[in-house]
Amino acid sequence: DAGVTQSPTHLIKTRGQQVTLRCSPKSGHDTVSWYQQALGQGPQFIFQYYEEEERQRGNFPDRFSGHQFPNYSSELNVNALLLGDSALYLCASSSGTGFGYTFGSGTRLTVV
Amino acid sequence: GIQVEQSPPDLILQEGANSTLRCNFSDSVNNLQWFHQNPWGQLINLFYIPSGTKQNGRLSATTVATERYSLLYISSSQTTDSGVYFCAGMNYGQNFVFGPGTRLSVLP
Repeated sequence: DAGVTQSPTHLIKTRGQQVTLRCSPKSGHDTVSWYQQALGQGPQFIFQYYEEEERQRGNFPDRFSGHQFPNYSSELNVNALLLGDSALYLCASSSGTGFGYTFGSGTRLTVV
Repeated sequence: GIQVEQSPPDLILQEGANSTLRCNFSDSVNNLQWFHQNPWGQLINLFYIPSGTKQNGRLSATTVATERYSLLYISSSQTTDSGVYFCAGMNYGQNFVFGPGTRLSVLP
């Protein structure tokens, strides 16, 4: 049974560009949450998707947007990249009850 | 929102030593978990422990919900225990608030 899969694993982008990160949830999970982890810090909540709608959002600017597809997979989009967006981006999936949280291995984004 | 503190921030141990990691919460949480992040970035769930005590091999955890803190015990540490340990709380919402982590290095 595959867990949470994220792609790509590593990515290098230039300031001002746009990036799309992808996440496939664990089988049986219908909720996807995205977190940003800057170097040396704990993960910070970006937003959560359930039933193709953004259900909760953390303290991140509108440059961060997302989408959830009917098969529960999700994308995180970041526009107008800044150097400070360089981080490990983690996706987690869970059931609608919020339990069974499972994290993927993350996408390491470097903005140069 | 919830604030999470962890101590110590860094810990260096010789293989075989025991250690205690602490996590304090500013408010009550209904879901508290401990995670281990390996060098490749993978967050592995260690314990779901909103209250009480649990043990899994050399690891155990205790949460005193009324005093808003949790402890993670590592006994007979091994080099493979190295990494960053995070506690995270969820307060009737659907997202975790993470602490800053404790970076553990176990030396052979």
